[in-house]
Amino acid sequence: DTGVSQDPRHKITKRGQNVTFRCDPISEHNRLYWYRQTLGQGPEFLTYFQNEAQLEKSRLLSDRFSAERPKGSFSTLEIQRTEQGDSAMYLCASSTQDNEQFFGPGTRLTVL
Amino acid sequence: GENVEQHPSTLSVQEGDSAVIKCTYSDSASNYFPWYKQELGKRPQLIIDIRSNVGEKKDQRIAVTLNKTAKHFSLHITETQPEDSAVYFCAASRASTSNTGKLIFGQGTTLQVKP
Repeated sequence: DTGVSQDPRHKITKRGQNVTFRCDPISEHNRLYWYRQTLGQGPEFLTYFQNEAQLEKSRLLSDRFSAERPKGSFSTLEIQRTEQGDSAMYLCASSTQDNEQFFGPGTRLTVL
Repeated sequence: GENVEQHPSTLSVQEGDSAVIKCTYSDSASNYFPWYKQELGKRPQLIIDIRSNVGEKKDQRIAVTLNKTAKHFSLHITETQPEDSAVYFCAASRASTSNTGKLIFGQGTTLQVKP
């Protein structure tokens, strides 16, 4: 499968714990995006990487959230001190400069 | 701020009928408009897109139209089939080498095609 992959697919955690998600984009894609989707809503933009540089962060991304793309390939999204409001599907997408974004299967986070 | 409005929120049609979903966007600098289909529990799947230099694009039973002046774009599905049943999202973005290309999504339309 040469599409976008994400790991884990599901994560259940207790409030206050830290969690980390991984995204592997399509190999030739230099652009990588993180979105969050809650039930019944469209995805909401969180952050954007061009190669290894994080060039935009949404106001939705509080200081408990951090993302990296250290070698311009895979990316990680970490949430510290999780809250119940963080429960959502976290989607990763990648594209070339033409901006056709292809999504991964997502990581569904449940914070108890 | 940037906003995309999508209507209707739900749409039920008989198999073989056409379905139309409409979106409006607020950012006049938007120039790329993709449509995604999302089945329950699955990833959003890009089904068609249009850029601001064209007014219409067609791919088999699916077509998209764009009215830049009115900041409207629409998805048209003809000869609907039960497998077209899903949630459809429109999105808008500024696509260029100097912009991030982040997608601003509409709220989604749940399409039900009745056999």
